[in-house]
Amino acid sequence: GDSVTQMEGPVTLSEEAFLTINCTYTATGYPSLFWYVQYPGEGLQLLLKATKADDKGSNKGFEATYRKETTSFHLEKGSVQVSDSAVYFCALSDRGGGNKLTFGTGTQLKVEL
Amino acid sequence: DTAVSQTPKYLVTQMGNDKSIKCEQNLGHDTMYWYKQDSKKFLKIMFSYNNKELIINETVPNRFSPKSPDKAHLNLHINSLELGDSAVYFCASSQDLGGNTIYFGEGSWLTVV
Repeated sequence: GDSVTQMEGPVTLSEEAFLTINCTYTATGYPSLFWYVQYPGEGLQLLLKATKADDKGSNKGFEATYRKETTSFHLEKGSVQVSDSAVYFCALSDRGGGNKLTFGTGTQLKVEL
Repeated sequence: DTAVSQTPKYLVTQMGNDKSIKCEQNLGHDTMYWYKQDSKKFLKIMFSYNNKELIINETVPNRFSPKSPDKAHLNLHINSLELGDSAVYFCASSQDLGGNTIYFGEGSWLTVV
């Protein structure tokens, strides 16, 4: 079945540091890939997405590129801020699976001054 | 305007009670979902409906009964609540089943005591 693996957290960074959160996936078809973010005490927000190989999703300074050859969708940001502290979820949606989202376990990011 | 809204946001109740969580979307979407986030923040789909028809039922105990009176609403009723039902329940919607982005509500924090 489909699965998503992302790096364990928490990840603690200083403000303005470079961020990478690794995400790899297993899927039988050609999934769409997503990053969702959950700020403390809040719901899930879509951060970015990519629907086919080599697509790059970007939003709020975050980027991720759909790499079919390595089955990866790593999240990056060049300079993190304290306000980026949140839990980040990588997810896939396999078109043949009723548009069901399969999530990774989430990676907590803490950004300190 | 909130796209996917669910009520209540917080619910504390005793074991054995029956409770409902309501969800409405004003996006004109055909497909709605319920996801459960456990205490370790792991997210998993429970149900999906497309045009009021049940599409996915992920081996959820039959104490959980979704009801979709129309395609803009998907309510979740839980009978005989157990301690293990304590979680955050997210309602979500998408345009249809064709791999579209899924938009989440803000979550309902359920605590069973």
